Amino acid sequence: DAEITQSPRHKITETGRQVTLACHQTWNHNNMFWYRQDLGHGLRLIHYSYGVQDTNKGEVSDGYSVSRSNTEDLPLTLESAASSQTSVYFCASRTSGTYEQYFGPGTRLTVT
Amino acid sequence: KQEVTQIPAALSVPEGENLVLNCSFTDSAIYNLQWFRQDPGKGLTSLLLIQSSQREQTSGRLNASLDKSSGRSTLYIAASQPGDSATYLCAVRPFNTDKLIFGTGTRLQVFP
Repeated sequence: DAEITQSPRHKITETGRQVTLACHQTWNHNNMFWYRQDLGHGLRLIHYSYGVQDTNKGEVSDGYSVSRSNTEDLPLTLESAASSQTSVYFCASRTSGTYEQYFGPGTRLTVT
Repeated sequence: KQEVTQIPAALSVPEGENLVLNCSFTDSAIYNLQWFRQDPGKGLTSLLLIQSSQREQTSGRLNASLDKSSGRSTLYIAASQPGDSATYLCAVRPFNTDKLIFGTGTRLQVFP
């Protein structure tokens, strides 16, 4: 079955370190997204991509970057991790027809 | 700026009750509205997607309605079961953007 996976599921890192969170989908969706979920803020969009070599900033993109070298993967990089980036991160992809978004299981990141 | 509100924030009911969860949004210029379920520590599962031209969608015991002019959607759960216990999120997709704007959710507990 087609799916969307994220790794690692849990990560603890130190302030200032570079961290990369992986997202892989097997639906062959062109459109992929990264969100973070925080208490009191709900889910907020970090970055998104409409296809290979395409990346766009969302509403909370500072301190994050993405790259899209193939259809299946959209890794999220925290250039220099900060405590404010402690959160749960979700990757999603969507169909081009109905625009329905499908989410991965999430990565819980703790920055100490 | 589009804002999405979900009321109530939490709900606890006995098994068998019919439930209504509410979602309101401030700007009616939306492309679609999507309802999700989130289990503790897990990702989001898409339940129903309503396009802006539609009034309702049904899947099993779930029925979602959309009144775009009044900025409201309701999720109706018939004959609730303990397995329905989860957080329910609604999200709207405004026109001319691929961004989903999420509400902060309704945490539902159904007890036997």
